[in-house]
Amino acid sequence: EAGVTQFPSHSVIEKGQTVTLRCDPISGHDNLYWYRRVMGKEIKFLLHFVKESKQDESGMPNNRFLAERTGGTYSTLKVQPAELEDSGVYFCASSPGQLGETQYFGPGTRLLVL
Amino acid sequence: QKEVEQNSGPLSVPEGAIASLNCTYSDRGSQSFFWYRQYSGKSPELIMSIYSNGDKEDGRFTAQLNKASQYVSLLIRDSQPSDSATYLCAVISTSGTYKYIFGTGTRLKVLA
Repeated sequence: EAGVTQFPSHSVIEKGQTVTLRCDPISGHDNLYWYRRVMGKEIKFLLHFVKESKQDESGMPNNRFLAERTGGTYSTLKVQPAELEDSGVYFCASSPGQLGETQYFGPGTRLLVL
Repeated sequence: QKEVEQNSGPLSVPEGAIASLNCTYSDRGSQSFFWYRQYSGKSPELIMSIYSNGDKEDGRFTAQLNKASQYVSLLIRDSQPSDSATYLCAVISTSGTYKYIFGTGTRLKVLA
């Protein structure tokens, strides 16, 4: 069974540009989470989907971030326009139907905004 | 006060020794706790989950939970150089969703 995959693995963009990150969860997992780790800090929650619905967006930093999960399968996280402080590692995780259980993480996308 | 606290390390132990990693959390209502291992540039991978007070053993790993004192620990017996990684403590939020709250992670170095 394939794990959580993320694309791209690395992205270097200039301030003001747009970047779209993609996450493919484990097949059949209804729950999909986005997290971010900025340099020297802990991994922090961004948002949570159950199927195609946003359950919790409380961690999204501001309205420059837009997440979608069309059809309840893969998810995208778009940053527009990117700022320097958006640099970090963006992780996606998924879990099956029951909340509170183990989350399985992807390898992350390393974003550097110059 | 951070919600989940870990000593960032590095924690250095000789090969074959016991490595002890600690984590404290602030939300007394927390019920679910996880230890993940992360090698540099890789996905966090689950080592152990624990939900009840006491010890839970899996091979060389033992997780210990004490809800009264609000701490969870991970012991690694017979530490190997391949155990050198960052160990992340995660607690499930009780704020209505099931997001993880992470500590900063403890970097473990096992010296050959």
